[in-house]
Amino acid sequence: GAGVSQSPSNKVTEKGKDVELRCDPISGHTALYWYRQRLGQGLEFLIYFQGNSAPDKSGLPSDRFSAERTGESVSTLTIQRTQQEDSAVYLCASSRTGTSGYAFDEQFFGPGTRLTVL
Amino acid sequence: GDSVTQMEGPVTLSEEAFLTINCTYTATGYPSLFWYVQYPGEGLQLLLKATKADDKGSNKGFEATYRKETTSFHLEKGSVQVSDSAVYFCALTSFSGGYNKLIFGAGTRLAVHP
Repeated sequence: GAGVSQSPSNKVTEKGKDVELRCDPISGHTALYWYRQRLGQGLEFLIYFQGNSAPDKSGLPSDRFSAERTGESVSTLTIQRTQQEDSAVYLCASSRTGTSGYAFDEQFFGPGTRLTVL
Repeated sequence: GDSVTQMEGPVTLSEEAFLTINCTYTATGYPSLFWYVQYPGEGLQLLLKATKADDKGSNKGFEATYRKETTSFHLEKGSVQVSDSAVYFCALTSFSGGYNKLIFGAGTRLAVHP
């Protein structure tokens, strides 16, 4: 079946512009996560969605970053007034949720969006 | 807080050499442990996992054993291939607020030469 997809795969923008990154999770996965991977570093957690709500936004680095999810499916990560330090690969992942309401621990990742801020 | 430390790369090996990538962790509670792999130009893929102490995860010739006494989850493969060249990430789950947050190490790049 289809995996997690993300678009665009690459985005080059100028400092100060806003960007939107999109994630399509695996159908039926109610849990969705965004991560950031800076060059040569591990993944930083940004935000977790369960359905359309975001119980954990603790990883968003500043108020320039926001994310939403609609229809328990597509999610968009928006970065306003981009800065050069925002340059990174942004990864989305999804997972199933059990009947207990807890997300399963295995997450499936998309290919990422490489963002370059000039 | 919970964290993962893995050996720095790059690791460069000849084909058929033995591979070890060290991973240690700090966690409260009893996390699940994972190795993810990122092949060039592709997304992260789960390579193997272990959910409790002494469990051994294995896949594609790779294996790792959950060692609670040494808080380690070292990745091993007996004979690497050129196609194993990738970045390998060790990770653990930190359960809070009803979900499992994945916490990653910095990644280790493996380059295998013919």
